Amino acid sequence: EVQIVDSGGGLVQPGGSLRLSCGASGFTFSSYAMSWVRQAPGKGLEWVSTITGSGYTIYYADSVKGRFTISRDNSKKMLYLQMNSLRAEDTAVYFCAKAHYGDSGFDFWGQGTLVTVSS
Amino acid sequence: DIQLTQSPSFLSASVGDRVTITCRASQDISSYLAWYQQKPGKAPKLLIYAASTLQSGVPSRFSGSGSGTEFTLTISSLQPEDFATYYCQQLNSYRYTFGQGTKLEIK
Repeated sequence: EVQIVDSGGGLVQPGGSLRLSCGASGFTFSSYAMSWVRQAPGKGLEWVSTITGSGYTIYYADSVKGRFTISRDNSKKMLYLQMNSLRAEDTAVYFCAKAHYGDSGFDFWGQGTLVTVSS
Repeated sequence: DIQLTQSPSFLSASVGDRVTITCRASQDISSYLAWYQQKPGKAPKLLIYAASTLQSGVPSRFSGSGSGTEFTLTISSLQPEDFATYYCQQLNSYRYTFGQGTKLEIK
């Protein structure tokens, strides 16, 4: 059974940093791209970043490029999102998601972890 | 960036109704479109991928169609558990943008 568990959210001051983690099980982790998607309170979904299975190719949304870094450790079946220079508008629930296959959507998601950026 | 516009943004319907949600892309995305259902406090659930392929385990009352710039999600006979928010997502370009969402409410 596929399981994805997000963690690491919390309250952080503007300009601060936070690292989110995502643990995966039940599938061959290194064979699938993984992504982060966020949802601000009461708002829609926003794609944040994707990393391919090998980790060699990475994509970012313009809103986080230069501030956030996605990475993965295939030996530990873990996905990470290092978030620096956080802003109030980064406040959201962050979801980790597994690629279905190729470019065909995200078929398994974590439960989400809340990041609140506030002084 | 490719923009996705869903219509309507809000939809009120009754159990048993047939409903259709439209997603329009700002440029040709071939069939690289997925549909998701999200209920309050929960993660999104993949319903349809490649514009028209039903994800495993999703009821057959859900269907998707379209290619290029115009896509539809149809629910043939609404069930109580279908009242939720629906999102389309394009996967043609690496910025995997989502539509703004369509909230389906009980009439």
